[in-house]
Amino acid sequence: GAVVSQHPSWVICKSGTSVKIECRSLDFQATTMFWYRQFPKQSLMLMATSNEGSKATYEQGVEKDKFLINHASLTLSTLTVTSAHPEDSSFYICSASQGREGYFGPGTRLTVL
Amino acid sequence: AQKVTQAQTEISVVEKEDVTLDCVYETRDTTYYLFWYKQPPSGELVFLIRRNSFDEQNEISGRYSWNFQKSTSSFNFTITASQVVDSAVYFCALSEAGTNAGKSTFGDGTTLTVKP
Repeated sequence: GAVVSQHPSWVICKSGTSVKIECRSLDFQATTMFWYRQFPKQSLMLMATSNEGSKATYEQGVEKDKFLINHASLTLSTLTVTSAHPEDSSFYICSASQGREGYFGPGTRLTVL
Repeated sequence: AQKVTQAQTEISVVEKEDVTLDCVYETRDTTYYLFWYKQPPSGELVFLIRRNSFDEQNEISGRYSWNFQKSTSSFNFTITASQVVDSAVYFCALSEAGTNAGKSTFGDGTTLTVKP
C-alpha cells in the first residue's frame, strides 16, 4: 500500500525559532498534500492544501505567513512553523493524494517551550 | 459543507463486552470516502478501514465490523469482545473524491476505554 512518511516524528524547540516538518510520499507521486493540526484532546483540523508547484490554499483562520508550505516536488511537501510559540504546540499530520485517495503520514508532535 | 458527527465523546466498557461507535455524516457529494482511524496514546493515526460511497456492503475484519447505511448517512463501527488494547481515540472521517481526494473532515472522536 501507499506509504507516507513524516520527519521528524517529534520535535522540541524554543519559542521564537522556526521548525520545518517534511511529508514524503514514498512509493507514489502526490499531486496534492494536505496538512492537518490536532491540539490535545481535539480532532484533526485541516490547515492547508498544497499542490505541487503552486501556492498552498489555507483554511480560514490559519496564518499563511506563520505556516509556510512548500510543495516543491511530487513526493515532498514541507511545513515550516515560523517564530513558533507555545500555542503552536500540536500534532501535525499530512495526507498525500495521487488523485484517487489520500494516505496519512504518522504525524509530527511539536512542543514549543 | 461536509460534517461528521460522533455523538459519543467517551465510552467505557469492560473487557470482552461488545461496543459500537457511532458515526453520522453529511455531504452533498455523490462520491466520497468514509474512514475509521484509531489513535492510541502514542499519537499516530492507525488506518482501520476505507469505504467508498458506492459500496454499502458491511465488512468484518477479525473483531472489527462496520455497518455503512447511506439511507441514514451512518457508518458505525463495532468491536466484538473488546480488549484492553482497544483503548484509544477513534475517529470517523469523510473524504472528498477526485481532485480533492485526501481532503478529510474528521469527527470529534470517541475515546474508548476498555477496563480489564
